[in-house]
Amino acid sequence: EDKVVQSPLSLVVHEGDTVTLNCSYEVTNFRSLLWYKQEKKAPTFLFMLTSSGIEKKSGRLSSILDKKELFSILNITATQTGDSAIYLCAPIIQGAQKLVFGQGTRLTINP
Amino acid sequence: SAVISQKPSRDICQRGTSLTIQCQVDSQVTMMFWYRQQPGQSLTLIATANQGSEATYESGFVIDKFPISRPNLTFSTLTVSNMSPEDSSIYLCSVAGQDNYGYTFGSGTRLTVV
Repeated sequence: EDKVVQSPLSLVVHEGDTVTLNCSYEVTNFRSLLWYKQEKKAPTFLFMLTSSGIEKKSGRLSSILDKKELFSILNITATQTGDSAIYLCAPIIQGAQKLVFGQGTRLTINP
Repeated sequence: SAVISQKPSRDICQRGTSLTIQCQVDSQVTMMFWYRQQPGQSLTLIATANQGSEATYESGFVIDKFPISRPNLTFSTLTVSNMSPEDSSIYLCSVAGQDNYGYTFGSGTRLTVV
């Protein structure tokens, strides 16, 4: 059975802190891994990771994938209150093309 | 990336009734996905909708409860049938992105069953 575990489940930090969110996965026919930010209803796309060891960056956010150890991390530096959200990771299953979501990390940034 | 219009945005329904959720995509896509997010939970795939064939349902979801239509490559509907309070959730449709862009989601439907 496909399994995705995110940690921590909840994180509260002060504005300006740096956070690291973790995602480990055990899925059959792995293709890529996606990170999303969910503030209200619809998740918004952050990163797609396909190759190991290649860091993707977008502003203060960065992410990397380790296909040997089956995990990914999402880093957010100099956090802002607008970063408060649920962060979701989801491997893409080759063939079926479906996503398997982790439980999410609820990140709260206090001013 | 594709743009998806999802309706309704929210609804409050009586138990025992049915609600149909619509998703319209601005481009042709082969597969559309329907997810449910129960309160405080993550997204769970209900089914994959392919044009011209029966939807493929995940374990724990059945066609009688969640019938899906896919009449063409830009449109799909999900019906939540014979609703109970346990069906209160956010329902989301999604399509695969192009190249290195992730899957796009509709704006979501927040359903409350009373």
